[in-house]
Amino acid sequence: AQTVTQSQPEMSVQEAETVTLSCTYDTSESDYYLFWYKQPPSRQMILVIRQEAYKQQNATENRFSVNFQKAAKSFSLKISDSQLGDAAMYFCAYRMNSGNTPLVFGKGTRLSVIA
Amino acid sequence: DGGITQSPKYLFRKEGQNVTLSCEQNLNHDAMYWYRQDPGQGLRLIYYSQIVNDFQKGDIAEGYSVSREKKESFPLTVTSAQKNPTAFYLCASRPNRDLPSSGQYFGPGTRLTVT
Repeated sequence: AQTVTQSQPEMSVQEAETVTLSCTYDTSESDYYLFWYKQPPSRQMILVIRQEAYKQQNATENRFSVNFQKAAKSFSLKISDSQLGDAAMYFCAYRMNSGNTPLVFGKGTRLSVIA
Repeated sequence: DGGITQSPKYLFRKEGQNVTLSCEQNLNHDAMYWYRQDPGQGLRLIYYSQIVNDFQKGDIAEGYSVSREKKESFPLTVTSAQKNPTAFYLCASRPNRDLPSSGQYFGPGTRLTVT
């Protein structure tokens, strides 16, 4: 079974600084997808960024980028120029590339942004 | 507006009573999912359905039941057999024809409290 591990239950960052959230996963599959979701205090889940495992290039979305290391099964999220609105729970998730298989989530990292 | 609706936002029940959580989507999505979220546990899969009249158990299906009689609706019943039903419940969906790399679309969630 696939598992996703987020080893940092809580992180904090100063406003305008950069922070990196860690995620590792375990799978025997070679074709899969990885995601980072944000859950603000409203508890609405918001997709932040996604990565296809067959792509070597790291995904970027504005201030958000990932460091995808397939051999190490590592998928970290970097947030640059942190803003107060970035404060939230962040979940790393994995999906095998097979039909509509569900996402497998890590336990999350709570990010605080200090003004 | 298209989206996923979960109602009510907050639900209170007495121990020993069954309760049904509503999830409706008007996105014409084929697959629907139910997750449970507890503090420090991330999102855990309860049930999912890829087509009407078909559904599969997730990792924590015991004490829960679902039905998928219509494409738009995927209600979750929390039975009295569920030992710790108090939690935040999230419903999600995605279309079969969407790119595999796309994530799931989430509803706003229902907070169930059982006393």
